[in-house]
Amino acid sequence: SQQGEEDPQALSIQEGENATMNCSYKTSINNLQWYRQNSGRGLVHLILIRSNEREKHSGRLRVTLDTSKKSSSLLITASRAADTASYFCATAGNTGKLIFGQGTTLQVKP
Amino acid sequence: ETGVTQSPTHLIKTRGQQVTLRCSSQSGHNTVSWYQQALGQGPQFIFQYYREEENGRGNFPPRFSGLQFPNYSSELNVNALELDDSALYLCASSAGTSGFYNEQFFGPGTRLTVL
Repeated sequence: SQQGEEDPQALSIQEGENATMNCSYKTSINNLQWYRQNSGRGLVHLILIRSNEREKHSGRLRVTLDTSKKSSSLLITASRAADTASYFCATAGNTGKLIFGQGTTLQVKP
Repeated sequence: ETGVTQSPTHLIKTRGQQVTLRCSSQSGHNTVSWYQQALGQGPQFIFQYYREEENGRGNFPPRFSGLQFPNYSSELNVNALELDDSALYLCASSAGTSGFYNEQFFGPGTRLTVL
């Protein structure tokens, strides 16, 4: 079963605009991780945010976590064509599993 | 530092056959996890190995089995292949303790097609 649910499923923006993706989950977590996947290849880790953290930054990426709402968001600022990919959130709890959502497909038009 | 590698890249099998997929973890990583990703879906956790022991398993039947070797490389074996087993199989390694407390480093995947 998929715990993380991303919203929207697909997003199309112009280069230079910001992209925001949301993730909701159902059970308590130790951390939440965001990954990027290009064209059905391996996933690339973007950011890991722990349950006691509220916000993390990495370059043009900003991730927030609201454990009371069981939700997280990923913001990509000043998007580039190279950011075109699928983005997944994944939650790690006490179940010994890493559970991925269905993903958001982002298209950045030059 | 060598990243996570997987072999083969692509594989075609027929229903009922058995398949073995291989993964070499990143240098210094002692934990390996396997995932199945169907087309258009997110990866689904199969199982994790930590220091040669299975440590956590997803909702996959026993015909999905694995091994981890002393050098921390790993194999995924699938018996009695079914058409629905067609997917991208991803391996990921991480350092430190078992579980998912640290980032996962993924390999490029093996694309399995079952006819």
